[in-house]
Amino acid sequence: DTGVSQDPRHKITKRGQNVTFRCDPISEHNRLYWYRQTLGQGPEFLTYFQNEAQLEKSRLLSDRFSAERPKGSFSTLEIQRTEQGDSAMYLCASSIFTDRETQYFGPGTRLLVL
Amino acid sequence: AQKITQTQPGMFVQEKEAVTLDCTYDTSDQSYGLFWYKQPSSGEMIFLIYQGSYDEQNATEGRYSLNFQKARKSANLVISASQLGDSAMYFCAMREGQAGTALIFGKGTTLSVSS
Repeated sequence: DTGVSQDPRHKITKRGQNVTFRCDPISEHNRLYWYRQTLGQGPEFLTYFQNEAQLEKSRLLSDRFSAERPKGSFSTLEIQRTEQGDSAMYLCASSIFTDRETQYFGPGTRLLVL
Repeated sequence: AQKITQTQPGMFVQEKEAVTLDCTYDTSDQSYGLFWYKQPSSGEMIFLIYQGSYDEQNATEGRYSLNFQKARKSANLVISASQLGDSAMYFCAMREGQAGTALIFGKGTTLSVSS
């Protein structure tokens, strides 16, 4: 198991620019989650996929945010027209569906919007 | 009301001592899962331990154990024989209902272990 990987690890962008983050889950995991974590807080759920289907989206996921998982493997999270309030750590987690499902997290992407 | 409450912003412990990190939760579901994660300064969330709501015994994983008191809705993490590498942020999280839902996290507790 190589674990969940995320790219890039850090991103600095100017307000108004678009950014895209990638997450590669653990290979046999069919579920993939995105969370956002701001300073001093716990992670907050954004969205999740089972295989390629996006099954749930949080109200935090404004229309500037879009996520895809085209072939049920890696996922991308795009933020359009970034705002300073988007500055956060974006965490990806993957899991396999069992009754004791445990989500395993990647190292995160730290986004700073100037 | 908060679903997960961690009342200790920071805890300090010496090496080799045991420490308890508090977590209380709020849910009306009968089926739920409770998790603890460790987040070092590097940022990655590391899974430590899981307790299911129907589990009769407290979960243990090496030096970690979960003191599950269902009636009190508490799920405290006990770390025995603290090590310097245990210094990190610790998050309690809950999954309500069946598997396949998002985790709800508390605000975390910062643990500092000194020699």
